[in-house]
Amino acid sequence: AQRVTQPEKLLSVFKGAPVELKCNYSYSGSPELFWYVQYSRQRLQLLLRHISRESIKGFTADLNKGETSFHLKKPFAQEEDSAMYYCALSEGNAGNMLTFGGGTRLMVKP
Amino acid sequence: SAVISQKPSRDICQRGTSLTIQCQVDSQVTMMFWYRQQPGQSLTLIATANQGSEATYESGFVIDKFPISRPNLTFSTLTVSNMSPEDSSIYLCSAHRTGTGNTIYFGEGSWLTVV
Repeated sequence: AQRVTQPEKLLSVFKGAPVELKCNYSYSGSPELFWYVQYSRQRLQLLLRHISRESIKGFTADLNKGETSFHLKKPFAQEEDSAMYYCALSEGNAGNMLTFGGGTRLMVKP
Repeated sequence: SAVISQKPSRDICQRGTSLTIQCQVDSQVTMMFWYRQQPGQSLTLIATANQGSEATYESGFVIDKFPISRPNLTFSTLTVSNMSPEDSSIYLCSAHRTGTGNTIYFGEGSWLTVV
């Protein structure tokens, strides 16, 4: 069965510092990986997905199949980045359900 | 993105009662799911809502406790039956929209507190 691990429950950085939120997964097939973000009092929303290879709000994430990781990075954190971040995995077929990691709360201090 | 509306958004329920959460999607979707997010925890899949047939439940969740309906492509309900304080959670409806690859969208969630 698939599993997603986010080792850090809380990550606190200062504004302008680099950020890396770690995500590791275990799955025997070809997964699709996502990062979802939940700002305070808002719904869970998609931040980015690995197949798009895009940068959203300055965040990027590269799928490393050798290390089974999908870490989320941003070179310069902003205060508005403070939120809960969830890494999630899907089995790769369209419309499959997501398996979520435990989430990491990012706090960006001024 | 697909707009997913859930109601109620929040409710306080008495122990032993049941509550039905409704989920409406603004366009046709292929898959609809129900997740639970207990306080301070991540999201756990309860079940996949299948149109016109019984939902597919994940390990640890049963139909008697969480009956689900999906009468058409854009609507689903989740009932939390015989509630206890342990059922206090946020319940989220999610959907995969046709033509969006494998992206899944989420409703705002229904925050239930059982007293």
